[in-house]
Amino acid sequence: NAGVTQTPKFQVLKTGQSMTLQCAQDMNHNSMYWYRQDPGMGLRLIYYSASEGTTDKGEVPNGYNVSRLNKREFSLRLESAAPSQTSVYFCASRGGGTGATEAFFGQGTRLTVV
Amino acid sequence: AQSVTQLDSQVPVFEEAPVELRCNYSSSVSVYLFWYVQYPNQGLQLLLKYLSGSTLVKGINGFEAEFNKSQTSFHLRKPSVHISDTAEYFCAVSDPTGGGNKLTFGTGTQLKVEL
Repeated sequence: NAGVTQTPKFQVLKTGQSMTLQCAQDMNHNSMYWYRQDPGMGLRLIYYSASEGTTDKGEVPNGYNVSRLNKREFSLRLESAAPSQTSVYFCASRGGGTGATEAFFGQGTRLTVV
Repeated sequence: AQSVTQLDSQVPVFEEAPVELRCNYSSSVSVYLFWYVQYPNQGLQLLLKYLSGSTLVKGINGFEAEFNKSQTSFHLRKPSVHISDTAEYFCAVSDPTGGGNKLTFGTGTQLKVEL
């Protein structure tokens, strides 16, 4: 069982470039999440998807878009990267629908915008 | 809106000493509470969770946490730490209303265990 898989693991972008971070889970989970992790700020929720076909903004959605392509996949797109988006990005998934279940995390994508 | 406060950004402790990592939450309703651990260059993994029932929750690696509704706290404890416990620890809250899909994390506490 692979769990949650994120690609790529590392990426360097120039300011203004675009890219898509990919996330896939094989646990048949309904909910999926994108977080960013910055020193001293913990994990901040960018977007989440409670189920296939739905997405909602989290705490820091500006500059990002998401697509819940199907139940397995949830992608995060940076249309015009900025240095402030340098961060480690984590995708997570969660089963059930009551909030009582454990979230499973990918290994992260380390993004640097120069 | 739900939120989590972890007041201690870093906690140094000697090996075999006890440790407590503090977590306070804010929510207008009953909540589900979680502690996650992150080892260097890895994703997060669950240590333990509180859903309901007994306020003392036991998790993996000898950790436990106590839910205190009146103080809105969910502090993590371990009676004797090991060097391998060096990691960052995150408290998280999930609000069961509206489906409970939103999972909010605190800013984390870096636990450094020294010999």
